[in-house]
Amino acid sequence: QQQVKQSPQSLIVQKGGISIINCAYENTAFDYFPWYQQFPGKGPALLIAIRPDVSEKKEGRFTISFNKSAKQFSLHIMDSQPGDSATYFCAASGDRGSTLGRLYFGRGTQLTVWP
Amino acid sequence: NAGVTQTPKFQVLKTGQSMTLQCAQDMNHNSMYWYRQDPGMGLRLIYYSASEGTTDKGEVPNGYNVSRLNKREFSLRLESAAPSQTSVYFCASKTMINNEQFFGPGTRLTVL
Repeated sequence: QQQVKQSPQSLIVQKGGISIINCAYENTAFDYFPWYQQFPGKGPALLIAIRPDVSEKKEGRFTISFNKSAKQFSLHIMDSQPGDSATYFCAASGDRGSTLGRLYFGRGTQLTVWP
Repeated sequence: NAGVTQTPKFQVLKTGQSMTLQCAQDMNHNSMYWYRQDPGMGLRLIYYSASEGTTDKGEVPNGYNVSRLNKREFSLRLESAAPSQTSVYFCASKTMINNEQFFGPGTRLTVL
């Protein structure tokens, strides 16, 4: 059973536009929601993360919106640039205070930003 | 700091051959993980190790074994490779302070 569902699978956005990727989860024990960015041939790298005690977190052009009641969270990329073209993964973890920190990943969204 | 390193970067095996994927981290992290990445499937956890001397199965452990050699090193072994194990394998590690996982550059494995 997939713990975190991510959509869309692929996304094409024009330069300067807004990219939006959505994720949903079922397990209410999850309390940490990161987004990872992966460029071709590289390992994923943490982009931004949120905990459920806030509804939004912004870092530069990247914003996570979190809806606890709907069990959904999304990544918004403002003023999308060709350099943002990558695969994005949402994830969730419910191991606060644990050494495990096991992450459950969505299946990824391949973002292409064209000039 | 090199972060998380993995060897080899690429490997081609024949069905039935064995090999070990190596992973090391120099960040003094306690927890380490092995994932596989397949197109459209995201990252799936194979095995993880919460601390030196302990290992546990993840989502897709069949056909794999692991060894947490010491705090730095966590290896993944394929005893008898199968074409279904063709994938990109990532090792990751995590500090106890927060939940951020740091990933290595990956090993691209092809089993013929």
